[in-house]
Amino acid sequence: SQELEQSPQSLIVQEGKNLTINCTSSKTLYGLYWYKQKYGEGLIFLMMLQKGGEEKSHEKITAKLDEKKQQSSLHITASQPSHAGIYLCGAGSYGGSQGNLIFGKGTKLSVKP
Amino acid sequence: GAVVSQHPSWVICKSGTSVKIECRSLDFQATTMFWYRQFPKQSLMLMATSNEGSKATYEQGVEKDKFLINHASLTLSTLTVTSAHPEDSSFYICSARVYTEAFFGQGTRLTVV
Repeated sequence: SQELEQSPQSLIVQEGKNLTINCTSSKTLYGLYWYKQKYGEGLIFLMMLQKGGEEKSHEKITAKLDEKKQQSSLHITASQPSHAGIYLCGAGSYGGSQGNLIFGKGTKLSVKP
Repeated sequence: GAVVSQHPSWVICKSGTSVKIECRSLDFQATTMFWYRQFPKQSLMLMATSNEGSKATYEQGVEKDKFLINHASLTLSTLTVTSAHPEDSSFYICSARVYTEAFFGQGTRLTVV
């Protein structure tokens, strides 16, 4: 079965600093999703990557999927307290677009003002 | 994007009682919905796949008689936690796929006392 490993598990950064969160899959990814969650709340969709080498950006967040489609990174530039939360990567479990997602264990981000 | 609405957002119930959680797709039809459970500081784990008009598919280790799922219409799936016990206390969240994207409800925090 496919597994997603996220690193680091937790991260504390000073406001204004850049940071990167990684997500590594045990199998080829056919769709990689990034979500943000504040514990006990719903998931906020950030980005979805499908193609090897694909890169997407939204505001100060950039996500990349490597050429081999087994690793993705989420980069936040000039972090702000509003970026704090848990970041989860998810992948389609069956390689298609209709199945459930499996998730990494998440990366807890704290941003110190 | 598509909206998935989950209700209630939190509930406290007495041990031995049953609790129903609703998941609605507000602006699209969902033939399939997914129910996840999240323990503190852990990732989301798939409990079951809810199929409109047919029986739900449960993941290994999930008691189907305890977690009753009904997907009676294309916009509503319900999860009923029967004879709830304190160990059922958790965060439950539903999801629906729209093409390649996955949307999540706000989640329900269940506390069994």
